[in-house]
Amino acid sequence: KQEVTQIPAALSVPEGENLVLNCSFTDSAIYNLQWFRQDPGKGLTSLLLIQSSQREQTSGRLNASLDKSSGRSTLYIAASQPGDSATYLCAVEAGANNLFFGTGTRLTVIP
Amino acid sequence: NAGVTQTPKFQVLKTGQSMTLQCAQDMNHNSMYWYRQDPGMGLRLIYYSASEGTTDKGEVPNGYNVSRLNKREFSLRLESAAPSQTSVYFCASTPGVVKETQYFGPGTRLLVL
Repeated sequence: KQEVTQIPAALSVPEGENLVLNCSFTDSAIYNLQWFRQDPGKGLTSLLLIQSSQREQTSGRLNASLDKSSGRSTLYIAASQPGDSATYLCAVEAGANNLFFGTGTRLTVIP
Repeated sequence: NAGVTQTPKFQVLKTGQSMTLQCAQDMNHNSMYWYRQDPGMGLRLIYYSASEGTTDKGEVPNGYNVSRLNKREFSLRLESAAPSQTSVYFCASTPGVVKETQYFGPGTRLLVL
């Protein structure tokens, strides 16, 4: 069974700092990897989706990379802002309709 | 577009009671999903529907039933609620079957006493 791990569970950074969130998965046979944002008491919002044939995706200040062979993905956030404070989840699609989620990294950006 | 909507937002049940969680999407998506989110465990798939008229079990289907009423609506039913079903339930949808972004509803918080 696919296992998805996100370390650290929580991270605090001062505003303006660049930061990297990590995601690792145990089975490299994936269709894609997605990064989501979840605000307290809310649903998930998709940030970036990387297909298995791609190495990275960018959206604004966010850049996600994928290394299938090593089972790792990173989400890079440039010039962090207090509005970036949220829990960030990664999920891998490892079969038709089979999305495996990590437990998330709770990010706090301190003004 | 409202996206994915869920009702109710919050519910308290006693052990043994039944209830149905409702989900609707207005994006003309084919596939719909039900997940539960528990502390320290991440989201886990309960059931999904790849298209209108079809449903399949996910990772944790025991104690639940689903109905894909039409293309827009996908409901989750707890026939006899148990404290272990205390969780936050999320509905999601995608345009197709695989390789696409999932769109999530705001969630239903369920407490079973």
